[in-house]
Amino acid sequence: DAGVTQSPTHLIKTRGQQVTLRCSPKSGHDTVSWYQQALGQGPQFIFQYYEEEERQRGNFPDRFSGHQFPNYSSELNVNALLLGDSALYLCASSFGAGTGSYEQYFGPGTRLTVT
Amino acid sequence: AQSVAQPEDQVNVAEGNPLTVKCTYSVSGNPYLFWYVQYPNRGLQFLLKYITGDNLVKGSYGFEAEFNKSQTSFHLKKPSALVSDSALYFCAVRDKRTRSGATNKLIFGTGTLLAVQP
Repeated sequence: DAGVTQSPTHLIKTRGQQVTLRCSPKSGHDTVSWYQQALGQGPQFIFQYYEEEERQRGNFPDRFSGHQFPNYSSELNVNALLLGDSALYLCASSFGAGTGSYEQYFGPGTRLTVT
Repeated sequence: AQSVAQPEDQVNVAEGNPLTVKCTYSVSGNPYLFWYVQYPNRGLQFLLKYITGDNLVKGSYGFEAEFNKSQTSFHLKKPSALVSDSALYFCAVRDKRTRSGATNKLIFGTGTLLAVQP
């Protein structure tokens, strides 16, 4: 049983560029949340997708957008990259958008470096 | 607003000794509390959760946590530390329900680095 997978593992981009990160949830899970973890800090919630819709959003600008596909996988897109977007981006999956089991399972993350 | 605090940036303990990693919370209503562990260059691994019931919660890898409502704390404990327990530990609380219903949003503390010396 595969856990949460993310791709790519590492990514280097230049300021102003756009990036797309991908996540496949754990088998049986239908809800995906994205978190940003800056160096030395705890993860910060970006948004959550359930039934292909954004259900909740954290305090992140519109440059951060996402998508969920019918197979429950998800993408995180960041436009007009800033140096401050450099971070580890974590995907977490769960079942039932918070109405079911409460723990979330995290992927290994994508390390984004903006130069 | 919901929040958690981890007052110690680092905890040092000798292998075989008991360990405690502290967490306090501030929430409105009943808290849903979690502990996660992060190894270098890895994602977060779920250790345990408190939703309701017994104040002593047992989790993975021999860890347990004690929920204390009067002290608004949820400290992580292990009776005998291993060198392999050395990692970054995060306490988290689930956010309040949104208008549209339940939420999965977790609010994390700043993390505590646990260093277990052989």
